[in-house]
Amino acid sequence: GAVVSQHPSRVICKSGTSVKIECRSLDFQATTMFWYRQFPKQSLMLMATSNEGSKATYEQGVEKDKFLINHASLTLSTLTVTSAHPEDSSFYICSTQDRDSYNEQFFGPGTRLTVL
Amino acid sequence: SQQGEEDPQALSIQEGENATMNCSYKTSINNLQWYRQNSGRGLVHLILIRSNEREKHSGRLRVTLDTSKKSSSLLITASRAADTASYFCATDAGYGNKLVFGAGTILRVKS
Repeated sequence: GAVVSQHPSRVICKSGTSVKIECRSLDFQATTMFWYRQFPKQSLMLMATSNEGSKATYEQGVEKDKFLINHASLTLSTLTVTSAHPEDSSFYICSTQDRDSYNEQFFGPGTRLTVL
Repeated sequence: SQQGEEDPQALSIQEGENATMNCSYKTSINNLQWYRQNSGRGLVHLILIRSNEREKHSGRLRVTLDTSKKSSSLLITASRAADTASYFCATDAGYGNKLVFGAGTILRVKS
């Protein structure tokens, strides 16, 4: 299956700062990437769909100005959490879809964000 | 919003036993997928079953799908301690290939 990496794996920041998380598709070109958030002991919630060369599509209730997504190339999507607050502390996971694998998504290892 | 529910929420079994997890969903789907997540890690795709399929096997995994009941089950046979993880079902209703995840089942296999 496809290999997806995320960087950083863990980040701790002060309240009010911005944090950028990178999601890279290492072995294929991903026109679409997905960003999820997972709170402790809960399931994954889709935040947005990142489309290469166009604006991201956000799920209902997700603030687009707070969670900035950029998908400037076929192998990289970034999620920036702006003016982070403690309630933004969560596990952020990206996924990509290999068009050759019928609807299977390949997930990155996740980024643990802790906002103090 | 999350549309899937899974039961049990947690399951603890002895190594060698079978583990069965169930998933229910609410809308029509194109396919249903099962994923495994080890603690603090990303998700690993286990198996995908299409809406026109009723049963699928992969190694020690057996997945069934009943579209009339909008439910699926994942059976892990001859469980191993390494199977300890959270298991999620996810449905693809065909809306831009978005996945909607169930609440998950935490499986603990004791050696």
